[in-house]
Amino acid sequence: EVVLTQSPDTLSLSPGESATLSCRASEIFSSDYLAWLQQKPGQAPRLLIYAASTRATGIPDRFSGSGSGTDFILTISRLEPEDFAVYYCQQYGASPPVSFGQGTRVEIK
Amino acid sequence: EVHLEQSGAEVKKPGTTVKISCKVSGYTFVEYYIHWVKQAPGKGLEWVGLVDPEDGETRYAEKFRGRVTVTADTSADIAYVQLSSLSSEDTAVYFCASVVSGTTHFDSWGQGTPVTVS
Repeated sequence: EVVLTQSPDTLSLSPGESATLSCRASEIFSSDYLAWLQQKPGQAPRLLIYAASTRATGIPDRFSGSGSGTDFILTISRLEPEDFAVYYCQQYGASPPVSFGQGTRVEIK
Repeated sequence: EVHLEQSGAEVKKPGTTVKISCKVSGYTFVEYYIHWVKQAPGKGLEWVGLVDPEDGETRYAEKFRGRVTVTADTSADIAYVQLSSLSSEDTAVYFCASVVSGTTHFDSWGQGTPVTVS
């Protein structure tokens, strides 16, 4: 079972700053199977990035993903007020088919 | 556009069973896998299980195996999750989410169904 560990748990930043979120896996897997989700309070998660670096439809280009092997990064450049939320990395694999990181909260400093 | 509409909030007694529905529209039902994800209050996302509506194949998280059943009604384009022997630890919001067959990411989510066990 692939275990995803995100860091940091909380990131305190100001609008306009950049955010770097990390997701580390317990074993190597293809970057094709790594996605990033955003969740705001009271809402369902929303797909931001899939296949480690491909932005989903309608996602602004200030969101970017990178990484391979066991280490993946979500970068948010120039934080907008609407970007303050919780971010999850998610792996789609064999067994179990889906696992999530514990989440990183990006909060306003 | 893909749309997932879930059934409303549930309040259940411990030891009973809850069944939540997820009505899908805007696409061919059998071309997607439907997953269920749990989110306990103040906690992260936890995968529960999935169904392939095309052939009814299911897979479940080990933690829920034996208590959860995921089904799909292809005549109505509705997926269900049923959870039995409820306890307070099952209090959560349950989301359905779709994955296009052959892809590896959730492209749409339902609005969530709160379940309270008390």
